[in-house]
Amino acid sequence: AQSVTQPDIHITVSEGASLELRCNYSYGATPYLFWYVQSPGQGLQLLLKYFSGDTLVQGIKGFEAEFKRSQSSFNLRKPSVHWSDAAEYFCAVGAGSGGSNYKLTFGKGTLLTVNP
Amino acid sequence: DVKVTQSSRYLVKRTGEKVFLECVQDMDHENMFWYRQDPGLGLRLIYFSYDVKMKEKGDIPEGYSVSREKKERFSLILESASTNQTSMYLCASSSYWDRDYEQYFGPGTRLTVT
Repeated sequence: AQSVTQPDIHITVSEGASLELRCNYSYGATPYLFWYVQSPGQGLQLLLKYFSGDTLVQGIKGFEAEFKRSQSSFNLRKPSVHWSDAAEYFCAVGAGSGGSNYKLTFGKGTLLTVNP
Repeated sequence: DVKVTQSSRYLVKRTGEKVFLECVQDMDHENMFWYRQDPGLGLRLIYFSYDVKMKEKGDIPEGYSVSREKKERFSLILESASTNQTSMYLCASSSYWDRDYEQYFGPGTRLTVT
């Protein structure tokens, strides 16, 4: 079965600093990979996704992520963090044989705090 | 835009009550999901449905049941609420035909069982 590890439970950065959130997955074939963001008290919003093609994926709000098969990683990056980026971030992997099996497995999340 | 709505943002129930959480999506999606979210545990899948009247257990189905009588509506039922079911509940939907697993989420229902 697939699994996702987000090694950092909580990260604090200063506004304007660069950001990298780590995500490692476990799956035998090429996975479908996602990053979602959750603002306090809200549902999850998709930031970006990868399922084929260019391994560097651009998303909304200036985020990008790079799929590295050799490292089983899909890290999220942003060159300059804004105070409004403070939220919880979830990495997810989709895998399976299709049909009724379109489930996602989520990591436990990384909480991002942004200092002024 | 895909819209997934949940019947309540906040809900307070007493131990032993039967609780219904409703979810409606307006994009004709085949797949619908119920998750619970707890601090430090991320999202855990309770049940999902890939068609009307079809359902499959997720990772933590104990204490829950579901109903999908219409394609757009997926209900989560707590037959006898307990305090350990206090949590944030998230509903999501996805399209079978997109085949890329992307799920669209509702705003969540924060349930407190006292």
